[in-house]
Amino acid sequence: SQQGEEDPQALSIQEGENATMNCSYKTSINNLQWYRQNSGRGLVHLILIRSNEREKHSGRLRVTLDTSKKSSSLLITASRAADTASYFCATVPSYGNKLVFGAGTILRVKS
Amino acid sequence: EAGVVQSPRYKIIEKKQPVAFWCNPISGHNTLYWYLQNLGQGPELLIRYENEEAVDDSQLPKDRFSAERLKGVDSTLKIQPAELGDSAVYLCASSLDGRGGSDEQYFGPGTRLTVT
Repeated sequence: SQQGEEDPQALSIQEGENATMNCSYKTSINNLQWYRQNSGRGLVHLILIRSNEREKHSGRLRVTLDTSKKSSSLLITASRAADTASYFCATVPSYGNKLVFGAGTILRVKS
Repeated sequence: EAGVVQSPRYKIIEKKQPVAFWCNPISGHNTLYWYLQNLGQGPELLIRYENEEAVDDSQLPKDRFSAERLKGVDSTLKIQPAELGDSAVYLCASSLDGRGGSDEQYFGPGTRLTVT
């Protein structure tokens, strides 16, 4: 079963624009993580945000977490063609220590 | 530093045949995971090892799937017999210490299985 739901399912933008992806989840969490998967490659960890954190930055990435709404967003600023990939949010529920992935958002950055 | 290594990268078999996937985690990583990823979906955990002990195999279909992690390093995932619905990508991941779920997981490139 998948706990997280990403929105939108697919996103197409021009190079240089910002991309925002959202994730909603169902149960209380220990932490939330974002992963990227390029075509034909494995998943790469991008960022982890803990339940007591509200915002985190890493390079061009900005992640927010709203535990009251059970939602998170991933913002990629000044997108590049190389950012084209699928992006997954994954949660670790408070009651367990297993990573549960959503279905992902497919991002296409056109050059 | 070498990443998680998986082999083979691709496998095509006929239904009812057996198949095995191999994974070599990052050196020093105690926790090893096997995930199944269907097309258009996120990965779903099949089994998690802490060293050589399987600590979470609740999602592993034990009638046809088996796994082992000898000496707490390499791991093998086996399907016998394979069914058409087993066609998917099988991902292996490792982390330093998976307890608590706060560790970053490092994924291998996966094995794409096609059952005909």
